[in-house]
Amino acid sequence: KAGVTQTPRYLIKTRGQQVTLSCSPISGHRSVSWYQQTPGQGLQFLFEYFSETQRNKGNFPGRFSGRQFSNSRSEMNVSTLELGDSALYLCASSLAQGGTGELFFGEGSRLTVL
Amino acid sequence: QKEVEQDPGPLSVPEGAIVSLNCTYSNSAFQYFMWYRQYSRKGPELLMYTYSSGNKEDGRFTAQVDKSSKYISLFIRDSQPSDSATYLCATYPRGYSTLTFGKGTMLLVSP
Repeated sequence: KAGVTQTPRYLIKTRGQQVTLSCSPISGHRSVSWYQQTPGQGLQFLFEYFSETQRNKGNFPGRFSGRQFSNSRSEMNVSTLELGDSALYLCASSLAQGGTGELFFGEGSRLTVL
Repeated sequence: QKEVEQDPGPLSVPEGAIVSLNCTYSNSAFQYFMWYRQYSRKGPELLMYTYSSGNKEDGRFTAQVDKSSKYISLFIRDSQPSDSATYLCATYPRGYSTLTFGKGTMLLVSP
């Protein structure tokens, strides 16, 4: 069974640009969550999607957005990039919203903003 | 104060040692507790999951929860170099909203 797939794995952008990250969940998983991981703040919750609807949102500015498609694949977008957006962005999938906490993570997309 | 506190380490131990990793949390609404392991350049993977206070054992790993003191621990017996990773504790309240993670403790096990 294939795991969670995130693309691209690495990318470099400059301030002011925008970026789109993609996540394909495990087959059959309908919930997709996004996290930002930095050395200073650790893992911080961005948002969760279930059945194409955003169910929860973390405390991030509106420059961070996402969506989920009918096949459960998800994308997140960051507009007007800032240096502080440099981080590892992790996608996690689970069978259903509000599961047992067992999230299956992808390997992440490492974003560097110059 | 962050809701979940965890010493970042690194914690360096020799192979075969017993390792103790700890977290404290401040929100008494947290009811479910997990430990995730994250290898370098990989995403976190669930290691242990527990609800009640007390101990839960799985092979060389034991998770311990003390809700009265809001303290959770992960013990690793007979540690191996392959255990070298960052260990993240995570928790969520009844009714589930989102997971709250600690920042992680880096463990280094030397041969």
